[in-house]
Amino acid sequence: SSELTQDPAVSVALGQTVRITCQGDSLRNYYATWYQQKPGQAPVLVIYDKDRRPSGIPDRFSASSSGNTASLTITGAQAEDEADYYCNSRDNSGNFVYVFGAGTKVTVL
Amino acid sequence: QVQLVESGGGVVQPGRSLRLSCAASGLTFSDYAMHWVRQAPGRGLEWVAVVSEDGSNKFFADSVKGRFTISRDNSKNTVFLQMNSLRVDDTAVYYCARDRGGAAGIIGWFDPWGQGNLVTVSS
Repeated sequence: SSELTQDPAVSVALGQTVRITCQGDSLRNYYATWYQQKPGQAPVLVIYDKDRRPSGIPDRFSASSSGNTASLTITGAQAEDEADYYCNSRDNSGNFVYVFGAGTKVTVL
Repeated sequence: QVQLVESGGGVVQPGRSLRLSCAASGLTFSDYAMHWVRQAPGRGLEWVAVVSEDGSNKFFADSVKGRFTISRDNSKNTVFLQMNSLRVDDTAVYYCARDRGGAAGIIGWFDPWGQGNLVTVSS
C-alpha cells in the first residue's frame, strides 16, 4: 500500500506564512486532500479537489502540488490555525482505498 | 446542515464483536458514499472502509480486511461497521464521514465527520 510522509511538527509566528508538505508516490496520480484537527474535535476538511476550499474555510488556506509532493500553505497564520493537519489521498492500488499521512502539528507562536 | 452521529462503541474483549452505527440527517443519504475512519489514542488518522451510495461496492483497509464489514440502510439513513475478531490494536475513536463526491461516487473527500465513538478492546 502507498504511504504519505509529513513532517511531525512546524511552527510559525503569528501573521506569517507556513507550508506543510506531504510526500508519497500516490500523489503522482491523485491530488491530496487536507484536514485540520484541533484537540478533542473531529477533523475538518480544509482543501479538496486539488485546491478548493469548503465554505467557511478562510482563503488564507491554499494548496499546491508537484510530482510526488503536495503542500498546504497558510498565509498569515492566526492563533486559531494551531492544529494537526493531515494529508490524504487514494492509494495506488487501483481500488478505492485511502491513506493518511501521519499528520503535522502546527504551532502558532 | 448535515449531521452524523455515531453510536455503539464501548469496551469489548479481544476476539469479540461490536457493531457501530452512524445516523445521518440533513442530506439525501442515498446520494453519498460513506466512510469510516479511526484514530487510536494519541495517534493519527487511519482510513478503515467505504461503502458506495447503493451499498453495492465496499472497500477496506488491509488492517481490517476479512474482520470488518460495512453496510448501509438507506431507508434509515444509517451506515454500519461490523467489527469481528477485535484486537487490542483496534482500540480507537471511530468516525463516520460522508464522501462529498455525491453523484460522482466514491471520491474520497470526507466531509463532514461525526463526533466519533470510542471503541476499547481490552481484557
